[in-house]
Amino acid sequence: AQTVTQSQPEMSVQEAETVTLSCTYDTSESDYYLFWYKQPPSRQMILVIRQEAYKQQNATENRFSVNFQKAAKSFSLKISDSQLGDAAMYFCAYRSADAGGTSYGKLTFGQGTILTVHP
Amino acid sequence: GAGVSQTPSNKVTEKGKYVELRCDPISGHTALYWYRQSLGQGPEFLIYFQGTGAADDSGLPNDRFFAVRPEGSVSTLKIQRTERGDSAVYLCASSLRDDTEAFFGQGTRLTVV
Repeated sequence: AQTVTQSQPEMSVQEAETVTLSCTYDTSESDYYLFWYKQPPSRQMILVIRQEAYKQQNATENRFSVNFQKAAKSFSLKISDSQLGDAAMYFCAYRSADAGGTSYGKLTFGQGTILTVHP
Repeated sequence: GAGVSQTPSNKVTEKGKYVELRCDPISGHTALYWYRQSLGQGPEFLIYFQGTGAADDSGLPNDRFFAVRPEGSVSTLKIQRTERGDSAVYLCASSLRDDTEAFFGQGTRLTVV
C-alpha cells in the first residue's frame, strides 16, 4: 500500500516571501501521479499542482512549483511571493496510474500542513 | 451544476440514528469518489464509482456504511446505527474519467452526539 507523509504540521511565512512544504511518499509502483491540494476553511479541496512521475521536469503553476525527486520519493511544494490568500491547509496526495492495480483511481493523502501567512 | 454539490452542509444526528449524505457531481463526470476527513487529518478514501457500479469499496470501514449511485449521477452515502466515531467531514469528488483531475465538493460535516 502507498503512504504519504507530511512531516511539518504547521509552517508560517511572511507575505511576499518564499516557503517550502515537504512531502515524502512510499510506493513500489513506477507510474503514478502526485498532487498538492489546498484546503481553505471553506473545506473545499482545490488542486494547486500536479506532477506525473514519468516526467523529469518539475511542474510549475504561476507562483507554485515542485521539487520532485523520484529516487528519494520526495515531492516538495515551493510557494513564491506568498500572499495572504495562500493561508490554508495543504495536502500532498498520491494516485496510482496503473489501471490494473488495486489502488487505481483513488487518492492517498498526507496528514496536511497548516500554512499561516503573516502580513 | 458548475461544481460538485453536497447536501446537507452540516448534519447533527443522535447516536444510533441513520443518515444519508448526498453528492451531486459535475454533469458528465463518470467517476465519483467519497472520502472521510477526521479533524486535523487528511481525507481517507471510502469508495469510488465508475458509472453506476462501485469500482472500489475497500475503504468502507464496516457494514454500517453503504453507498449507491443508481443512475450514474447523484450518489448517496448511507450510514446506519451512527456512532460518535463517525463524526467527520465527508467529502465527495468527481472526475471526467478515473484518470483525470478530481474536483471536490465542500463536504458534509457530520456530528454524532
